[in-house]
Amino acid sequence: KNQVEQSPQSLIILEGKNCTLQCNYTVSPFSNLRWYKQDTGRGPVSLTIMTFSENTKSNGRYTATLDADTKQSSLHITASQLSDSASYICVVTAEMYSGGGADGLTFGKGTHLIIQP
Amino acid sequence: DVKVTQSSRYLVKRTGEKVFLECVQDMDHENMFWYRQDPGLGLRLIYFSYDVKMKEKGDIPEGYSVSREKKERFSLILESASTNQTSMYLCASSLPTSRRGNQPQHFGDGTRLSIL
Repeated sequence: KNQVEQSPQSLIILEGKNCTLQCNYTVSPFSNLRWYKQDTGRGPVSLTIMTFSENTKSNGRYTATLDADTKQSSLHITASQLSDSASYICVVTAEMYSGGGADGLTFGKGTHLIIQP
Repeated sequence: DVKVTQSSRYLVKRTGEKVFLECVQDMDHENMFWYRQDPGLGLRLIYFSYDVKMKEKGDIPEGYSVSREKKERFSLILESASTNQTSMYLCASSLPTSRRGNQPQHFGDGTRLSIL
């Protein structure tokens, strides 16, 4: 069964500090991995996407990495700001017709990040 | 800018009522989805539609039905609401897998539904 596991479940850090969120998956065959940011009371918004051949992708202070061999991804946030407080969701897409839920998507349960001033 | 609009941000209903949640997208997307989101459980797929009048069950379809009469609109129906259906409901849309490339799902801002 395709699965996506995220850690930690929740994290509290001080403003200005860096942090790293983890995503491990067993989705096969792999197509891509996407990180979403979900602010409180809003829908998820895509931050980055990585395909099999990519191992690093940046979006401002957010840097995602992918190790397709170990089936692990991380999202690193540099110099955190109060606006980074949100849930971060890892979503892995399987190749067409290979399962993993409708449209081939498997969601992680998210990491809840709190930035304290 | 792309937009997925859910008709209500907050909704309070009583046990046994029939509840309709509406979602409209303006991107001409073929795929539309309904999820519920609960603390510690993440997003769980209720139903998925890949075309007008077409639907597929997701992981937790029990107690729900859907309707897609027009491409831009996807409705979630709680036939007889129960307290365990109190949750945040999120609608999303996307291009079909064959044409999606690296385009993401686009989500609405959710409807927080309370069943009393």
